Amino acid sequence: GAGVSQSPRYKVAKRGQDVALRCDPISGHVSLFWYQQALGQGPEFLTYFQNEAQLDKSGLPSDRFFAERPEGSVSTLKIQRTQQEDSAVYLCASRRDSSSYNSPLHFGNGTRLTVT
Amino acid sequence: GNSVTQMEGPVTLSEEAFLTINCTYTATGYPSLFWYVQYPGEGLQLLLKATKADDKGSNKGFEATYRKETTSFHLEKGSVQVSDSAVYFCALSLNNAGNMLTFGGGTRLMVKP
Repeated sequence: GAGVSQSPRYKVAKRGQDVALRCDPISGHVSLFWYQQALGQGPEFLTYFQNEAQLDKSGLPSDRFFAERPEGSVSTLKIQRTQQEDSAVYLCASRRDSSSYNSPLHFGNGTRLTVT
Repeated sequence: GNSVTQMEGPVTLSEEAFLTINCTYTATGYPSLFWYVQYPGEGLQLLLKATKADDKGSNKGFEATYRKETTSFHLEKGSVQVSDSAVYFCALSLNNAGNMLTFGGGTRLMVKP
């Protein structure tokens, strides 16, 4: 497809379980972002990759959150020992280059995580 | 720190009414400003942007002007349609962390026929 693809679309996890969320960015896009969107709120930055390098992970809320992009394309966001406060929509976005002035940010439809 | 504040919704209007959604920001530096829209069941899409003071972004009949003196970027449309019903997010980016976006809380717009 032509857009950013995220899977699964919905995920229900029991508290304490580990989850892995996948993002397939647009082919060739250099920059990749993960955002967390709680219900009724705006997205909040989690982490940023330029190719395979994770250049900023300052938004990750705890050491239970881990993201990787080993080959500079597909990215996985992993959450260990999920807690109820992790319930949110996790958005992935990609951009062709590293500058917002030259290319727009393309968002996926997100993965809605519910922790019970 | 950097932050974006936008008016709370929902905003309910009749078709062809005038729309204003207020957005103000706080930033350390000179940000670029954006409006994103999220239609039901879809991902966030860029609606318009402005990269420096006094710039006006426009798209699909929507406009917003970057006002440095009031640190604002209010979204306006002269005549809304039912198809404009969506959630609108104001956002800023600075030249750091790959120009990552800081979003406001979103404003839901409901347009009734």
